[in-house]
Amino acid sequence: DSGVTQTPKHLITATGQRVTLRCSPRSGDLSVYWYQQSLDQGLQFLIQYYNGEERAKGNILERFSAQQFPDLHSELNLSSLELGDSALYFCASSVGSGGAVNYGYTFGSGTRLTVV
Amino acid sequence: ELKVEQNPLFLSMQEGKNYTIYCNYSTTSDRLYWYRQDPGKSLESLFVLLSNGAVKQEGRLMASLDTKARLSTLHITAAVHDLSATYFCAVLDFTSGTYKYIFGTGTRLKVLA
Repeated sequence: DSGVTQTPKHLITATGQRVTLRCSPRSGDLSVYWYQQSLDQGLQFLIQYYNGEERAKGNILERFSAQQFPDLHSELNLSSLELGDSALYFCASSVGSGGAVNYGYTFGSGTRLTVV
Repeated sequence: ELKVEQNPLFLSMQEGKNYTIYCNYSTTSDRLYWYRQDPGKSLESLFVLLSNGAVKQEGRLMASLDTKARLSTLHITAAVHDLSATYFCAVLDFTSGTYKYIFGTGTRLKVLA
């Protein structure tokens, strides 16, 4: 157990629907990062939050949004889902905003989203 | 934006053999990580390389960094089946004033008994 908790582990939903993925960072970590892993795109950085504020944005679609709450957990909201959104979504956390010097990010086990 | 390329994408090798995975990146960075991912699992941090010439070794894996060439290598010595996994390098990108890690495409390694 890495200490980063993601729920749910699996999600199957229909096109056009909206889902919310949840991430609880490792205790003491202030940063949360979201990555999308698909077969043809590899690991794509989506967005980073640090202590409740958005810090960096990557290739995140406008249909996707995220937030980090006062208790530091984060949610990734995916709406108007398309078949191409099917992927493994990872959350990672770190102490600071640049990743721990020795260990980088700590990754959660991911949420596998299947859009049918 | 920083680009990270790995090669090969797929690697099938016999047990006992040696091989090297390469990670090239496009702009200056002072931090590079190697991760391992087993099928359907999360990513596990293997090594962090923080300076030019840095070398880290654990077991049959050895990673090195040449910041001038913008190249890192992950060398596998006398491969065993347990090393079968996908290996990613990740490079710290500080363009646009914010930190984020850009991952390579991954190298899927299969070690044949």
